[in-house]
Amino acid sequence: GAVVSQHPSRVICKSGTSVKIECRSLDFQATTMFWYRQFPKQSLMLMATSNEGSKATYEQGVEKDKFLINHASLTLSTLTVTSAHPEDSSFYICSASPGTLVYEQYFGPGTRLTVT
Amino acid sequence: EDKVVQSPLSLVVHEGDTVTLNCSYEVTNFRSLLWYKQEKKAPTFLFMLTSSGIEKKSGRLSSILDKKELFSILNITATQTGDSAVYLCAVEALHNAGNMLTFGGGTRLMVKP
Repeated sequence: GAVVSQHPSRVICKSGTSVKIECRSLDFQATTMFWYRQFPKQSLMLMATSNEGSKATYEQGVEKDKFLINHASLTLSTLTVTSAHPEDSSFYICSASPGTLVYEQYFGPGTRLTVT
Repeated sequence: EDKVVQSPLSLVVHEGDTVTLNCSYEVTNFRSLLWYKQEKKAPTFLFMLTSSGIEKKSGRLSSILDKKELFSILNITATQTGDSAVYLCAVEALHNAGNMLTFGGGTRLMVKP
């Protein structure tokens, strides 16, 4: 089956530093990758959609200069949280889609970010 | 703005009970409704529903969609402790940027032995 990995699974960083999270589709080419954020006991909130080789489309209210997304290849997308603050602490999940059917998303295991 | 509301927020049952989870939605350009199960990590896909009145079934889980009343239910019969999880409902709709998923707030189910 389709497998998506995320790295790291857990990261703790100091306020003001930047953190990069990788999302890889291991056995398929991902035309589109999605980045979600999940707060404790809350649902997934879509942050941005990225297509390989083009700029990500950010959801309203998501700062594109703070959450840098790069979709450099058909199997890799990265999310960089720049100048992280404690309020950025959250669970970040990526998903990858092999085609144009948005419901065909395969989720990564998530990354728990804690900013101290 | 697309809206997906799930109820109840949380539910505690005993093994063997049957539960019904609800998902109502208000979206423009509906395409499909999806159910996911989320345990400690990322969600896993359960069902996709596109047509009204057709029940999807997988083992003890089943789901149905009512496109007229804009809701779906997820039923779990003979619940087991392994069913304990957050169940997420998401609606796929066509936006300017393409098809997008909007997630509901989830229902947290706890099944006690």
